[in-house]
Amino acid sequence: KNQVEQSPQSLIILEGKNCTLQCNYTVSPFSNLRWYKQDTGRGPVSLTIMTFSENTKSNGRYTATLDADTKQSSLHITASQLSDSASYICVVTLNSGGSNYKLTFGKGTLLTVNP
Amino acid sequence: DVKVTQSSRYLVKRTGEKVFLECVQDMDHENMFWYRQDPGLGLRLIYFSYDVKMKEKGDIPEGYSVSREKKERFSLILESASTNQTSMYLCASSLPGLDTYEQYFGPGTRLTVT
Repeated sequence: KNQVEQSPQSLIILEGKNCTLQCNYTVSPFSNLRWYKQDTGRGPVSLTIMTFSENTKSNGRYTATLDADTKQSSLHITASQLSDSASYICVVTLNSGGSNYKLTFGKGTLLTVNP
Repeated sequence: DVKVTQSSRYLVKRTGEKVFLECVQDMDHENMFWYRQDPGLGLRLIYFSYDVKMKEKGDIPEGYSVSREKKERFSLILESASTNQTSMYLCASSLPGLDTYEQYFGPGTRLTVT
């Protein structure tokens, strides 16, 4: 079964600290992996998207890495800010043949940044 | 600037009512999606549409129907609302080709069925 597992489920850090969120997937065949940020009560907003040939991508203080061999991705947040408090969702795109694609969503990691 | 809007942020309906959730996008996207999001379950796809009047079932279509009469508008219909349909509903749109293109999400509608 194609799955996306995220860890930890929740994380509390102090403002200014770094943190790393994990995403493991069993989706195959793999097309791409995305990280989304979802503020409470809002829709998800894209942070990064990586294909299997890319192993790192940055968006400001957010850096995503991908190891397609081990089927693992991480999202590293540098110098955290209060506004980073949100749920972070890993999404893997399955290529189910031809032009058919299916998104598989992780359940998210809830990050709280405290002052 | 990309924009996906949903007709209501919060909605309270009674069991058995017919409920319409509207989504509008201004990006001329071919693809539109409806998801529900529940604590501990993540986002689950209900239906998607890749063109006007075209639709495909997602992972959890039971109890829902959709309508896409115009390219920019995608409606989710709960024919007879039930309490287990209390959830956050998210609409999204994208260009064709999920291998390449981004999905843009609306702000969500929190539906409560009592």
